[in-house]
Amino acid sequence: GENVEQHPSTLSVQEGDSAVIKCTYSDSASNYFPWYKQELGKGPQLIIDIRSNVGEKKDQRIAVTLNKTAKHFSLHITETQPEDSAVYFCAASIKEYGNKLVFGAGTILRVKS
Amino acid sequence: DAGITQSPRHKVTETGTPVTLRCHQTENHRYMYWYRQDPGHGLRLIHYSYGVKDTDKGEVSDGYSVSRSKTEDFLLTLESATSSQTSVYFCAISVLPFDESGTEAFFGQGTRLTVV
Repeated sequence: GENVEQHPSTLSVQEGDSAVIKCTYSDSASNYFPWYKQELGKGPQLIIDIRSNVGEKKDQRIAVTLNKTAKHFSLHITETQPEDSAVYFCAASIKEYGNKLVFGAGTILRVKS
Repeated sequence: DAGITQSPRHKVTETGTPVTLRCHQTENHRYMYWYRQDPGHGLRLIHYSYGVKDTDKGEVSDGYSVSRSKTEDFLLTLESATSSQTSVYFCAISVLPFDESGTEAFFGQGTRLTVV
């Protein structure tokens, strides 16, 4: 079936540095790509999303880029802070499942102060 | 937090017993989803509902059934629990399907189920 691959599985950065998480997807019909942040003991929370008619979207310190030709999208966090430490999930809408979301395996981000 | 309540929050059950997890929302959102979260797999869709009595299967539906008799409640049932169903289960709600413009999905806090 269609899937979403996410890398790296863990990422440690120094406070103030940038963090980049990358995802690839297999369904060329996918048109919606959200990113979720999950803090310990909580459910995932949407932090930013992008649609297939847009190449880049930015919201303060976070940005997402999309390359539909290569079928990959990335999350960029600049000026990282300790409160950015969490698990981040990418997802893509997959036509095979009625345009429901298929998630990547997640990235544990640790920001060291 | 969006008005989503999952119950129970934690449960330990024995292999072969039936288990029902409940998701209750106060947002009157049409779409509701059940996901399971396992290390190395992220979140995987079990079943979803697009209205009262309207449900469909997700990518990992075997061994699970759902019911939605009211807008606010979406029940997930494991007819005969197995150890492979040990997981954290999340309910999510949305006004429109995830791929619709401007739609955000809101997740509950999860139910940790252990099957021994």
